Amino acid sequence: IAGITQAPTSQILAAGRRMTLRCTQDMRHNAMYWYRQDLGLGLRLIHYSNTAGTTGKGEVPDGYSVSRANTDDFPLTLASAVPSQTSVYFCASSEGAGSNTQYFGPGTRLTVL
Amino acid sequence: GENVEQHPSTLSVQEGDSAVIKCTYSDSASNYFPWYKQELGKGPQLIIDIRSNVGEKKDQRIAVTLNKTAKHFSLHITETQPEDSAVYFCAASTSSGDDKIIFGKGTRLHILP
Repeated sequence: IAGITQAPTSQILAAGRRMTLRCTQDMRHNAMYWYRQDLGLGLRLIHYSNTAGTTGKGEVPDGYSVSRANTDDFPLTLASAVPSQTSVYFCASSEGAGSNTQYFGPGTRLTVL
Repeated sequence: GENVEQHPSTLSVQEGDSAVIKCTYSDSASNYFPWYKQELGKGPQLIIDIRSNVGEKKDQRIAVTLNKTAKHFSLHITETQPEDSAVYFCAASTSSGDDKIIFGKGTRLHILP
């Protein structure tokens, strides 16, 4: 069982380009999340999905979009990247419905120049 | 909304000594308090959690205490070892139908030889 996988591991991107970060889980978890981690700011929630077909905005959603077409995949898209989106991005999942415990992927380090 | 404060931001302890990290939260409805450990280059990993119906939970060298009246909770690591060096995050959540959790900004723990 792989748990949660993220791709790519790292990426350097020119400002203005479109980028999709991929996240896949094989635990059949209902809920999935995207966080960004910046030095001194901890983990901040970007978007989340409680179940396939639904999504919601987190603390810092601007400039990002997500989709949840099925249970396993939860891609995060930057439509037009800006330097302030340079960060480490973590995908997480949980069983949902009050189980609370979240399991994190290994992260994607994104640099926008 | 929920706000989680975590202190200290950096902590250095001699190997074999104890380490304590403290967090406070603002939402009295919060009832789930996980602690995550993040090693360099990896995603956060759950190490222990506590729910509001207990005041203390212990797992080998790690313990967490919760004071709901004062709205604070703490992580205690005894007999620290070099492998305990990492960044630790506290978090708080409510069982409100989704599993969104709010993280503290993290504590970088250094174990000194």
